[in-house]
Parts: sequence; structure tokens; C-alpha cells
Amino acid sequence: DAKTTQPPSMDCAEGRAANLPCNHSTISGNEYVYWYRQIHSQGPQYIIHGLKNNETNEMASLIITEDRKSSTLILPHATLRDTAVYYCIVRHRNAGKSTFGDGTTLTVKP
Amino acid sequence: DTAVSQTPKYLVTQMGNDKSIKCEQNLGHDTMYWYKQDSKKFLKIMFSYNNKELIINETVPNRFSPKSPDKAHLNLHINSLELGDSAVYFCASSQDEGRGEYTFGSGTRLTVV
Repeated sequence: DAKTTQPPSMDCAEGRAANLPCNHSTISGNEYVYWYRQIHSQGPQYIIHGLKNNETNEMASLIITEDRKSSTLILPHATLRDTAVYYCIVRHRNAGKSTFGDGTTLTVKP
Repeated sequence: DTAVSQTPKYLVTQMGNDKSIKCEQNLGHDTMYWYKQDSKKFLKIMFSYNNKELIINETVPNRFSPKSPDKAHLNLHINSLELGDSAVYFCASSQDEGRGEYTFGSGTRLTVV
């Protein structure tokens, strides 16, 4: 599975959009980008995934660049409860394991 | 109804003891996993089972032995506990041998004293 690089920490004002970047320059054609988050002391929670098209669900939007070497997770209106560690993972959809890196600690401030 | 449930939530035990952590999922998923999160918050996969068969074993010491009586359950037994085993252990499940997103349990915090 391809390696990912994320900034260690980010701050965001409550009510603003939080844009979390992820670099995955060695991604292969059949690898998906998955995002999870871990709120303090809880189990990781799935957020969204995509292959090459942008994706949106009730939690977030995922923007993947045309060359697929990077992506951005967007939380459109961040709340204090979105404070968590966000993990970007690249893996084959139908095989392999999810390898978690260090993630980005997002702190949403009032 | 909790999708992936682990018991116990907290476990404090002495070095050298043997302990088990249980995990059950009611999602109908075929694959289950154990992850370990150490004090530095790094999440590392330990084992993966698909339909009761071991498919991933990430060079975990032999003291750790997973057991899957059926595809809805994956238990973790740890022999001769050591201080370094202190961590939070997460169980997870997914469809069809790694397909799709993972659903995680709430974790078991193991403290070895």
C-alpha cells in the first residue's frame, strides 16, 4: 500500500471549513484513498473514500487531484466535536490492510 | 445496538498473567482485525481473520494468539503479559477480506503493572 504524508497538526475556527491535505505521490491506479478520524480515546471512525472522482457524503467532501498524487478532506463547517486525529490511508479496495500513519491532529477552536 | 463491541473496556493486570479480550460484530462482515495503539498513538495492525481463517499476522510475538470461533467473533489471548504490552487494543471488521471501510470497536485499554 502506498505511503501517505500529512501535516502533524492544524487549527480551524469553529464554523469555518477545515481543509486537511494528504500527499500520496506513489499511489497506484487501483488504490483508493480512505479517510478516518479518531476522536480522543475512541475507535477510529470511517469518513469517506474515493478513487479519482471527488466524493461527498454527510460528513465531508474528498477532493482528489487529477494526477491522484494528493487529496484534501474538507469538513465544510467545522464544530468543536470535529477535533480529532485525521488519518489518510491508501489501499486496494478489495484487498490488503489499512496501514495508519501519524495523521493530522485537527483542533477546532471557538 | 453496537456494531463492533469489545470487552472489557479496561484491563489492569500484573506482569506474567494471561488475559483475553473479546470482540463481537453484528454487521455480517467476513473479516475482523486486531490493532494495537501504543502510548505514541501509533495504530498498528496485528492480525486479520477472514471467515475464521488467519490472513494477516504482522510479526506479533507468539504470546499473542487470536481465536475466531465464528466469523462474528475474534478474541485475543495474551500469555505472560509484559509491561510493553500496555496499550489500547482495537477490534475492527470489514466486508470480504479487506473490502471497503473498517468499523472499529471502542477499544480495550490494557495496563500491565
